[in-house]
Amino acid sequence: DSGVTQTPKHLITATGQRVTLRCSPRSGDLSVYWYQQSLDQGLQFLIHYYNGEERAKGNILERFSAQQFPDLHSELNLSSLELGDSALYFCASSVTNRGLEAEQFFGPGTRLTVL
Amino acid sequence: AQKITQTQPGMFVQEKEAVTLDCTYDTSDPSYGLFWYKQPSSGEMIFLIYQGSYDQQNATEGRYSLNFQKARKSANLVISASQLGDSAMYFCAMREPNDYKLSFGAGTTVTVRA
Repeated sequence: DSGVTQTPKHLITATGQRVTLRCSPRSGDLSVYWYQQSLDQGLQFLIHYYNGEERAKGNILERFSAQQFPDLHSELNLSSLELGDSALYFCASSVTNRGLEAEQFFGPGTRLTVL
Repeated sequence: AQKITQTQPGMFVQEKEAVTLDCTYDTSDPSYGLFWYKQPSSGEMIFLIYQGSYDQQNATEGRYSLNFQKARKSANLVISASQLGDSAMYFCAMREPNDYKLSFGAGTTVTVRA
């Protein structure tokens, strides 16, 4: 158990809908990262938050947004869902955003299926 | 451009044997960090081992060791004495300075045979 929690574990929804994925980082970790794992794109970085502030964006679609709250939990909002958004969405946390060796601890992921 | 290349989509290894998973990377920065993660069929990502670009010795963690060849820009993972529980997907990843994310390779699926 990495100490990172993600809810829900599975999510099945229809095209055009909006969903919210939730992540609670390990106690004391200020950095939260979101990654998407799909069969065709592999593991891709979406966005990074540090202590409530957005620090970096990757290949995140405009239909997707995220935020990190004062209690450090984070939510990833996906809207106008398309079939291609079906993927495993990971949240990871680390104690700091500095240091190359700062290990990122991954949550169990949320498997999103868009029908 | 692909930063991390894992050329082996799948590998079979006999139980108790060693297996080497290849990883090459591309960066122009002299400072970087390399990571290996394991993803079993259950889906979670498990950190295995880390190697810093300035580390003088190859990293080791139990049965995992990293064959780091800086000049060749390769960071191969060696799993010794394979166990059935080692069957999983293995990902190589890199982190560069001033970059917060991990850049992952496509992964290698390892199947351990009894």
